Amino acid sequence: GQNIDQPTEMTATEGAIVQINCTYQTSGFNGLFWYQQHAGEAPTFLSYNVLDGLEEKGRFSSFLSRSKGYSYLLLKELQMKDSASYLCAVTDSNYQLIWGAGTKLIIKP
Amino acid sequence: IAGITQAPTSQILAAGRRMTLRCTQDMRHNAMYWYRQDLGLGLRLIHYSNTAGTTGKGEVPDGYSVSRANTDDFPLTLASAVPSQTSVYFCASSDSEGATEAFFGQGTRLTVV
Repeated sequence: GQNIDQPTEMTATEGAIVQINCTYQTSGFNGLFWYQQHAGEAPTFLSYNVLDGLEEKGRFSSFLSRSKGYSYLLLKELQMKDSASYLCAVTDSNYQLIWGAGTKLIIKP
Repeated sequence: IAGITQAPTSQILAAGRRMTLRCTQDMRHNAMYWYRQDLGLGLRLIHYSNTAGTTGKGEVPDGYSVSRANTDDFPLTLASAVPSQTSVYFCASSDSEGATEAFFGQGTRLTVV
């Protein structure tokens, strides 16, 4: 079966750095997405990785290792507004998106 | 309209009633999707459409139907609602299936009583 694993919840301190991990087992791979979802709102796109390595976008970076079936989202200089759920999603060989259950990130002052 | 719009934003529905959730996008995206999101389960695909005139079943299609008569609209119908269909429903679209970012509507919170 197809499976994406993320931690259910993480807590971090304002101004710090946090890494959210995602491991996946899918039938084929055509890219990995990270989305942010604030409570009561729709998911919004953060990043896309299709090749191995690190993609940096401001305070957010995303890393991919296809051989390990592993990705992480790195958030630097955490702000209170970063409190949200972070969803990992993988595109499989049929170009269907497989979603993880999401990681709820709690930022404390 | 800017982006993707869903209606209604919330609804309380009696069990056994028929209900259509509306979704419209103005980005001329080929692919559209309906998801339900339940606590602890993440987003689950109900139905999808890769292009106007075609639809496909997702992970949890039972009890739901869709149509894609044109590029912009992708309504989701619950023929006879049951309490287990209580959920938050998201419509999304992307330029091509699975390979580009998806844009989501604001969601419809449906309660079946």
